[in-house]
Amino acid sequence: GNSVTQMEGPVTLSEEAFLTINCTYTATGYPSLFWYVQYPGEGLQLLLKATKADDKGSNKGFEATYRKETTSFHLEKGSVQVSDSAVYFCALSLGDGQNFVFGPGTRLSVLP
Amino acid sequence: DSGVTQTPKHLITATGQRVTLRCSPRSGDLSVYWYQQSLDQGLQFLIQYYNGEERAKGNILERFSAQQFPDLHSELNLSSLELGDSALYFCASSVGGARIYEQYFGPGTRLTVT
Repeated sequence: GNSVTQMEGPVTLSEEAFLTINCTYTATGYPSLFWYVQYPGEGLQLLLKATKADDKGSNKGFEATYRKETTSFHLEKGSVQVSDSAVYFCALSLGDGQNFVFGPGTRLSVLP
Repeated sequence: DSGVTQTPKHLITATGQRVTLRCSPRSGDLSVYWYQQSLDQGLQFLIQYYNGEERAKGNILERFSAQQFPDLHSELNLSSLELGDSALYFCASSVGGARIYEQYFGPGTRLTVT
């Protein structure tokens, strides 16, 4: 089946530290890949996406590259801020319904 | 603002009761998805509608049902509520069902069953 695995959290960093959140996937076809972010008390927001191998998605200083050979889509940011504290979800899509699969989420806390 | 609206924002009700959650998708989106988010089970896909028709069904209990109306808004009906149904319920919408389309999420309805 299709699945997404994320690194266990919570992740705690100091402001301006480098962030990596690992994400790997298993898919029966050729998925699109996404990162979503959920701030406290809010819904999920699309952070970035990539629809084919070697594509790099980027937004708000976050980046992730679609690596088909390692089935990975790791999220990175060079310098985190306190305002980046949230839960981050990696997801894949092969289309409808159950074919849009979310990982369990990684909670990030950034300390001033 | 994602353009997806959900009402109500909070709902407190008693066991055994029935509630209806409402969702309006982004303008132009034909697909609506419902998810349940709880602390111990993460984000669970419940059901998807596309242009008024049920497209996919996930881990939705028989006590729950949904529909999508001609104006594309959707309602999720939860009946015979149990304490374990307390959770955040999210609606999401997308243009269609192709793999390249991202989903846009509403702010959610927090349901508390007492």
